[in-house]
Amino acid sequence: GAVVSQHPSWVICKSGTSVKIECRSLDFQATTMFWYRQFPKQSLMLMATSNEGSKATYEQGVEKDKFLINHASLTLSTLTVTSAHPEDSSFYICSANLNWEKLFFGSGTQLSVL
Amino acid sequence: AQKITQTQPGMFVQEKEAVTLDCTYDTSDPSYGLFWYKQPSSGEMIFLIYQGSYDQQNATEGRYSLNFQKARKSANLVISASQLGDSAMYFCAMRASKAAGNKLTFGGGTRVLVKP
Repeated sequence: GAVVSQHPSWVICKSGTSVKIECRSLDFQATTMFWYRQFPKQSLMLMATSNEGSKATYEQGVEKDKFLINHASLTLSTLTVTSAHPEDSSFYICSANLNWEKLFFGSGTQLSVL
Repeated sequence: AQKITQTQPGMFVQEKEAVTLDCTYDTSDPSYGLFWYKQPSSGEMIFLIYQGSYDQQNATEGRYSLNFQKARKSANLVISASQLGDSAMYFCAMRASKAAGNKLTFGGGTRVLVKP
């Protein structure tokens, strides 16, 4: 079946550094991918919609300069958390469309900023 | 605007029994899809079942079935013959038509703990 791969699974970084998270659709092309953030014991909150070949669409309240999204190919979207701070520590998860009914998720990335 | 409500923050269920997870939604869009996902402690989101707003029959996938009541705007998930491995968070989600940007909006989730 369709698979979405997300790397890394977890990352620990120092405050002020940048972290890149990759999301790949392994056996299908995804013109649109989505990035979510999840705090402990909470639901998933959509951060942005990543569009292949164009700028990402950010949800209200999400800093586009803080969370850089690049969707350079039909199978890869990246999320870069720039100048990370402890409050950016969270679980980040991506998803990609196979079709309207099938939306698959990556395994998520746990980010801890010290 | 879309809204998904899951009123049960957590529940226990006895192994081998059935459990119903509630989900209500609100949208002005006539075309939408309803999804249920399972999130175990590992964090991955596992797709369980899908129901389209125009589907005439309730969706079923193995032990999972969706009780779709369109007039009440509810899409409850029924898990039959619960297993210990069903212990997880369960999220109801909705996706409106393409005009709404294909976004998937999630409910707050329900934590299920299956007791042996």
